[in-house]
Amino acid sequence: EVQLLESGGGLVRPGGSLRLSCAASGFTFRDYGMGWVRQAPGKGLELVSEISGSGSYRTADYADSVKGRFSISKDNSKNTLYLQMDNLRAEDTAVYYCAKGGDWNVHYFDFWGQGTLVTVSS
Amino acid sequence: QQDLTQSPSVSASLGASVKLTCTLNSGLSSYAIAWHQQRPEKAPRYLMKVNGDGSHIKGDGIPDRFSGSSSGTERYLTISSLQPEDEADYYCQTWGTGVRKVFGGGTKLTVL
Repeated sequence: EVQLLESGGGLVRPGGSLRLSCAASGFTFRDYGMGWVRQAPGKGLELVSEISGSGSYRTADYADSVKGRFSISKDNSKNTLYLQMDNLRAEDTAVYYCAKGGDWNVHYFDFWGQGTLVTVSS
Repeated sequence: QQDLTQSPSVSASLGASVKLTCTLNSGLSSYAIAWHQQRPEKAPRYLMKVNGDGSHIKGDGIPDRFSGSSSGTERYLTISSLQPEDEADYYCQTWGTGVRKVFGGGTKLTVL
């Protein structure tokens, strides 16, 4: 059974940093690309970033709103996906979902985690 | 022009059928999409992938009431015998060269 468990969310002040983690199980992690998708309160889904199965390249560019501030990475030895978020802004407040790609290069998401809430506020 | 366009809201009666539409930018007319369901206060759930030729591959455990199809730049999700638990937001997603915004804006389905 596929499972994705996000952690690391919370309340942070503007300009602060957080690192989100997504622990995966139930599939061969290294064979699938992964991604982070966020959803601001009352809004739709927004792709933050994606990464290949190997973790060696991004399969989609970062959302314009997070370029230069967020960084995705994948540790296949730990079956864990990460999102490093720096210089956080109020508009980054959202639920962040980890999602499993349909194949090595992601293409589409075929399984979602339950999400972790990030609140950026002073 | 948006990559993916969805109607903001649709309503249908309990037990009836409804067809949701996701329209691709004309430059992406051959692209496949994926449909995702998001019930209130829940995480999204993958429903199916719909190819340009109308074939579709459903996710594990997705009821037979859900089906996909395609015509030109439009990709459809049809839900038959509507149930109360089908009330949700439905998002389409695409991918590939030239795609800037991978998710459509979502359609809120209300079951009357």
